[in-house]
Amino acid sequence: DTEVTQTPKHLVMGMTNKKSLKCEQHMGHRAMYWYKQKAKKPPELMFVYSYEKLSINESVPSRFSPECPNSSLLNLHLHALQPEDSALYLCASSQGPGPTDTQYFGPGTRLTVL
Amino acid sequence: AQRVTQPEKLLSVFKGAPVELKCNYSYSGSPELFWYVQYSRQRLQLLLRHISRESIKGFTADLNKGETSFHLKKPFAQEEDSAMYYCALSGRDGPGGGADGLTFGKGTHLIIQP
Repeated sequence: DTEVTQTPKHLVMGMTNKKSLKCEQHMGHRAMYWYKQKAKKPPELMFVYSYEKLSINESVPSRFSPECPNSSLLNLHLHALQPEDSALYLCASSQGPGPTDTQYFGPGTRLTVL
Repeated sequence: AQRVTQPEKLLSVFKGAPVELKCNYSYSGSPELFWYVQYSRQRLQLLLRHISRESIKGFTADLNKGETSFHLKKPFAQEEDSAMYYCALSGRDGPGGGADGLTFGKGTHLIIQP
């Protein structure tokens, strides 16, 4: 398997809901990333996991909670989101965490917060 | 702080004409630069990276450290080149620290007219 997969494709949730986004890769990559992409804007980095450890949190509000249960899986737990959090959430992975490593992106989860 | 600038939001050229998508960057160290492309209804994917010095789908990009530029060029545009193009930078001083996330430019929407 040479792709990054993300589920669900679409998610609609209320502001009081708790939901999770899932990302999976079976390429043996040791770095995984979450990006947020608003409409007609570039992706913005949220979190980086390197060897299953959280390496960076780009000042993301605590209503977003990442989790890396193993080297193939990355979750993003969502709680008490705001309508402005509606966006496309992209997961990516790379062989290693270095700057020269190519990042491979999933198709994204389109999140709508009502 | 690092920054990537793509001055053209939209670029429209005729099939067979040369294409140049501009990208300038601001970074204090030695950057790694990438071009990512997003075709309609497809995921974000790597087009090329400066470290590889290769031509992909007829596109080339040369890193010019003096001008801090990484422009993307193709001598003869084809209709299938129509897509959103993002220039991105990864570096030790950027988001992700030792594990590097990407900083994206705002993107250029390339339209190839028949």
